Amino acid sequence: TQLLEQSPQFLSIQEGENLTVYCNSSSVFSSLQWYRQEPGEGPVLLVTVVTGGEVKKLKRLTFQFGDARKDSSLHITAAQPGDTGLYLCGGTSYDKVIFGPGTSLSVIP
Amino acid sequence: GAVVSQHPSWVICKSGTSVKIECRSLDFQATTMFWYRQFPKQSLMLMATSNEGSKATYEQGVEKDKFLINHASLTLSTLTVTSAHPEDSSFYICSARPGHNEKLFFGSGTQLSVL
Repeated sequence: TQLLEQSPQFLSIQEGENLTVYCNSSSVFSSLQWYRQEPGEGPVLLVTVVTGGEVKKLKRLTFQFGDARKDSSLHITAAQPGDTGLYLCGGTSYDKVIFGPGTSLSVIP
Repeated sequence: GAVVSQHPSWVICKSGTSVKIECRSLDFQATTMFWYRQFPKQSLMLMATSNEGSKATYEQGVEKDKFLINHASLTLSTLTVTSAHPEDSSFYICSARPGHNEKLFFGSGTQLSVL
């Protein structure tokens, strides 16, 4: 059974601080995606990483895919209250996408 | 970007009744759709994979007779929760994938409350 782990599961920080969220697995995935979800809504795709060692930047968000394609990280610089939400990593293997348990981020003004 | 419409957004029903949730891809054809359920402050748990024109593939522990999935066309998949009970109360989310593209597009979810 393929599993994705995320850490930390809960994170509360002050506006302006930096943070990193980790997504780990013992399995290799053909790609990993990061999503952000707000309460009562579906997840919104932030980025897809495909190549081992790949780094992608989306404004203040930096995503990295591990060399072995088993782990990924999301780094947010100068967090803002609008970054608050549930961050999910999803791994694609064969024909389906499975998700980690999520990291619930609260950015306090 | 691609749009996936899910309906209804929320539903309240009595125990023992059946509830149907629709998932439509509005501007693309989706050969594969996925159904997830999510409990408060938890992640998405894959329930089943739905392929157009064939039977759905259910994940271990998901009762196929309880959660009926029909993917009758390339733009519509439905999930029917049969004889719903309070423990079925959850947030149900569908997602669709155009062809073999691995990018998933999610519906906005359906909050089901069974009294």
